[in-house]
Amino acid sequence: EDKVVQSPLSLVVHEGDTVTLNCSYEVTNFRSLLWYKQEKKAPTFLFMLTSSGIEKKSGRLSSILDKKELFSILNITATQTGDSAIYLCADMDSNYQLIWGAGTKLIIKP
Amino acid sequence: KAGVTQTPRYLIKTRGQQVTLSCSPISGHRSVSWYQQTPGQGLQFLFEYFSETQRNKGNFPGRFSGRQFSNSRSEMNVSTLELGDSALYLCASSLRMGEQYFGPGTRLTVT
Repeated sequence: EDKVVQSPLSLVVHEGDTVTLNCSYEVTNFRSLLWYKQEKKAPTFLFMLTSSGIEKKSGRLSSILDKKELFSILNITATQTGDSAIYLCADMDSNYQLIWGAGTKLIIKP
Repeated sequence: KAGVTQTPRYLIKTRGQQVTLSCSPISGHRSVSWYQQTPGQGLQFLFEYFSETQRNKGNFPGRFSGRQFSNSRSEMNVSTLELGDSALYLCASSLRMGEQYFGPGTRLTVT
């Protein structure tokens, strides 16, 4: 059965710290891996990764995929309180269906 | 462009009743997906519609059904509600596979 596992489940850091969130997957006929941020209600799209080793970057956030080891990481540098959220990763299988991880709850303390 | 809208935002129903939730996607988006989110289970995929056809379906009982109209608006129906159906129901529309735009959700409480 396809599955996506995120770690850690929760993380508390101080403003200015750098964090690394992990996502490992076991998906038949993998297509892409996606990262989303969920603050209050609706998740918002961050990145879609399809190729190994190519970093995607947006401001202080960056992500990379390793298709050989079946994992992805999401890095956030110089964290701010506004980065507090649940970060979700999902894999897209050959049917374009998204399989979601349970999420990492990130809390940034001022 | 207006975002994804969902109605109603909050709903309280009694066990055994049925409920219909509505989702209007972003203009031009033909794919609409539905998810159930609970604290213990995370985001669980219900189904996806594209051009009025169900393209994918998750592992939910037949009490959960949906449809999509020609204007891409979608509805989700749950019959014979159970206490365990209490959850946040999220709808997402997409233009490009994987890049989904979520609505604010409908919070359903079953008593």
